[in-house]
Amino acid sequence: GAGVSQSPRYKVAKRGQDVALRCDPISGHVSLFWYQQALGQGPEFLTYFQNEAQLDKSGLPSDRFFAERPEGSVSTLKIQRTQQEDSAVYLCASSLGGTGTWDGYTFGSGTRLTVV
Amino acid sequence: KNQVEQSPQSLIILEGKNCTLQCNYTVSPFSNLRWYKQDTGRGPVSLTIMTFSENTKSNGRYTATLDADTKQSSLHITASQLSDSASYICVVPSGTYKYIFGTGTRLKVLA
Repeated sequence: GAGVSQSPRYKVAKRGQDVALRCDPISGHVSLFWYQQALGQGPEFLTYFQNEAQLDKSGLPSDRFFAERPEGSVSTLKIQRTQQEDSAVYLCASSLGGTGTWDGYTFGSGTRLTVV
Repeated sequence: KNQVEQSPQSLIILEGKNCTLQCNYTVSPFSNLRWYKQDTGRGPVSLTIMTFSENTKSNGRYTATLDADTKQSSLHITASQLSDSASYICVVPSGTYKYIFGTGTRLKVLA
């Protein structure tokens, strides 16, 4: 596609519910990133995929967070047993090259998750 | 610890006025610094990229400066417009793929 597409745009979940957030990167982009942006804060790194390989998941805040990119294109970020502190905007970004190539990210518009 | 700090946290100016946003970073090793604009409800969009050897770069009404010795960057907006109202985020790569984002400056331009 022309840009990075994320869905849903908004998600309200009851505490304890599982959620799945989807990211469609730009076609052909090798790298895919997930960031978490709390209200009034800058985005914070969650995880990085190069094609289907998850090279870095050091930013995932707990084992309730799980991300996958099984075919090297679409990615899903899953949060199990959501907690109120999970409320944030989840940004997906993609980049044409792999590690070491600074061609920059293109961000999606994000999914705003509110846990009530 | 790799950090990016921005000031001011928020800023309100009248349409047509100029403003300057500041960014200090402690990320090492340093390769480049980027300024992003984030409209409400949207993802960040790149404004400019400053490499180690660049001191000043302009993109329309936006001019970024970089002092690699003092590890400071600024973003100057000239003749502000209502559409400039957004968050401006300073970003420095850490390692080969990870970005360290500042907390941003929220700019509001009033008519």
